[in-house]
Amino acid sequence: DTGVSQDPRHKITKRGQNVTFRCDPISEHNRLYWYRQTLGQGPEFLTYFQNEAQLEKSRLLSDRFSAERPKGSFSTLEIQRTEQGDSAMYLCASSRQGAHGYTFGSGTRLTVV
Amino acid sequence: KQEVTQIPAALSVPEGENLVLNCSFTDSAIYNLQWFRQDPGKGLTSLLLIQSSQREQTSGRLNASLDKSSGRSTLYIAASQPGDSATYLCAVHMYSGGGADGLTFGKGTHLIIQP
Repeated sequence: DTGVSQDPRHKITKRGQNVTFRCDPISEHNRLYWYRQTLGQGPEFLTYFQNEAQLEKSRLLSDRFSAERPKGSFSTLEIQRTEQGDSAMYLCASSRQGAHGYTFGSGTRLTVV
Repeated sequence: KQEVTQIPAALSVPEGENLVLNCSFTDSAIYNLQWFRQDPGKGLTSLLLIQSSQREQTSGRLNASLDKSSGRSTLYIAASQPGDSATYLCAVHMYSGGGADGLTFGKGTHLIIQP
């Protein structure tokens, strides 16, 4: 068990470009979550998968955002036509179903210039 | 809608002091509560998880209590060390699902331990 892995750690992109982030959860965790955190704030929920099914999406997740979790393993979060307001830390977490805590990854820090 | 408040927003104390971080939540019907630590520019590290039926959890110099009926939790740090400097986040889990009502965070307490 190597924990939750996220790649890349940092991403700098020009406004209007597309970016994709990857998250590898703990292997026995069937739930996977994406959160976004801006400076001085707590993380905010974006979306959640149980196995390969995306069960819920936040209103924060505009049409430019899409997330997938093929085969219920790793997940990707894509942002199309990035805007400066997308600059944030994107955190992935995983958990087992039931009364268990969440395990977070180290995050991907996105800077849109 | 669940709201989580953490007080104080920032705290600076000399090394060796015992300290208490506070977390309050508006909806007491929680499933569990989790305390995290976040170092600058890093992800979240889970410190303690308290189930709704529990009153407290301990790990080393950390002790977290939960008073569900009053909507409060405290994180007690004994004999603080400079390495404890970080932001501490409280998060409440409303139910066993994982959606928007799954985990709600406070804004955190930024802690500095002076050597």
